[in-house]
Amino acid sequence: TQLLEQSPQFLSIQEGENLTVYCNSSSVFSSLQWYRQEPGEGPVLLVTVVTGGEVKKLKRLTFQFGDARKDSSLHITAAQTGDTGLYLCAGLSTDKLIFGTGTRLQVFP
Amino acid sequence: DAGVTQSPTHLIKTRGQQVTLRCSPKSGHDTVSWYQQALGQGPQFIFQYYEEEERQRGNFPDRFSGHQFPNYSSELNVNALLLGDSALYLCASSLVWSGGASEQFFGPGTRLTVL
Repeated sequence: TQLLEQSPQFLSIQEGENLTVYCNSSSVFSSLQWYRQEPGEGPVLLVTVVTGGEVKKLKRLTFQFGDARKDSSLHITAAQTGDTGLYLCAGLSTDKLIFGTGTRLQVFP
Repeated sequence: DAGVTQSPTHLIKTRGQQVTLRCSPKSGHDTVSWYQQALGQGPQFIFQYYEEEERQRGNFPDRFSGHQFPNYSSELNVNALLLGDSALYLCASSLVWSGGASEQFFGPGTRLTVL
């Protein structure tokens, strides 16, 4: 069974702080995606990482795929209240997504 | 261009009843996947439909069944509802193409409550 564990499960920080969310698995994935989900909505894709060691930046968000393609991290610099939401990593396995356990981020002004 | 739409948005059923949820994919997409998201957890893959057939299935019992229509829209049926079936049911659409998987676009979900 392919499992993706995210840590931390909950994160509560103030605006301007930096944070890192981790996504770990014992399985290798062909690619890994990060989503953000807000209450009452479906997940929205933020980024897809494909190559081991790959780093992608999306404004204040930096995503890294582990060299062995089993783990990933999401780093947010100078968090804003608009970053609040549920962050989900998902590994792609034969065209279906295996989602992680999720990290709920709350950013206070 | 409408994205993925799902209906209804909310539904309340009692144990033992049956429910049908509906999904219309994003324009141009031909593949529909269904996910179950329990409160506070990540979505779990139920099954995927392509060319009106179930292409892949996750670890869900036969009480969960589906259908895809010629216009690519899809239904998820759950029979003999249990309390544990209470969840947000998400539909995602994508376009299958050779050489790799394409991005999945998610609908807003149907919140099912089983009493």
